[in-house]
Amino acid sequence: DSGVTQTPKHLITATGQRVTLRCSPRSGDLSVYWYQQSLDQGLQFLIQYYNGEERAKGNILERFSAQQFPDLHSELNLSSLELGDSALYFCASSVGRMTNEKLFFGSGTQLSVL
Amino acid sequence: AQTVTQSQPEMSVQEAETVTLSCTYDTSENNYYLFWYKQPPSRQMILVIRQEAYKQQNATENRFSVNFQKAAKSFSLKISDSQLGDTAMYFCAFMKQRYNQGGKLIFGQGTELSVKP
Repeated sequence: DSGVTQTPKHLITATGQRVTLRCSPRSGDLSVYWYQQSLDQGLQFLIQYYNGEERAKGNILERFSAQQFPDLHSELNLSSLELGDSALYFCASSVGRMTNEKLFFGSGTQLSVL
Repeated sequence: AQTVTQSQPEMSVQEAETVTLSCTYDTSENNYYLFWYKQPPSRQMILVIRQEAYKQQNATENRFSVNFQKAAKSFSLKISDSQLGDTAMYFCAFMKQRYNQGGKLIFGQGTELSVKP
């Protein structure tokens, strides 16, 4: 168990809908990262938050947004969902924001868009 | 832009034998980190081993070791005495060394390893 909690584990929804994925980092970790794992794109970095502020952006669509709350949990919001958004969404956390820190991954949220 | 390539989509090995997974990468950076992650059927991403580019010595973690060839931009993973629990998807990953910008991993496409009894 990495200590990173993601909910829900599975999510099934329809095209055009909006969903929210939740991530609770390990106790004491200030950074949260979101990754998307899909069959065609592989594993891609989406976005990073550090202590409530956005720190880095990757290949995140404009229909997607994220935030990190004062209690350090993070939410990834996906809107106007398309079939191609079906993927496994990972959250990871680390103590700070340095490149030599270890990332701890959650078990992911499997999103199926029908 | 950095890219990571794993040319072996699938591999298999007999239990107790040794297997090597290949990874090449492309970057103009001089300072970076390389990683191997394991993703078993449980989907959890587990860090197997990490290599700092400035270190010439190859990293080792128990049965796992790497062959890091910086000039050739090659980073292979050797698993010795393979165990059934090593069955998983293995991802090679790259991270630039940037102050205050940790966590942005660039992953390869993965190699699915099956350990057979």
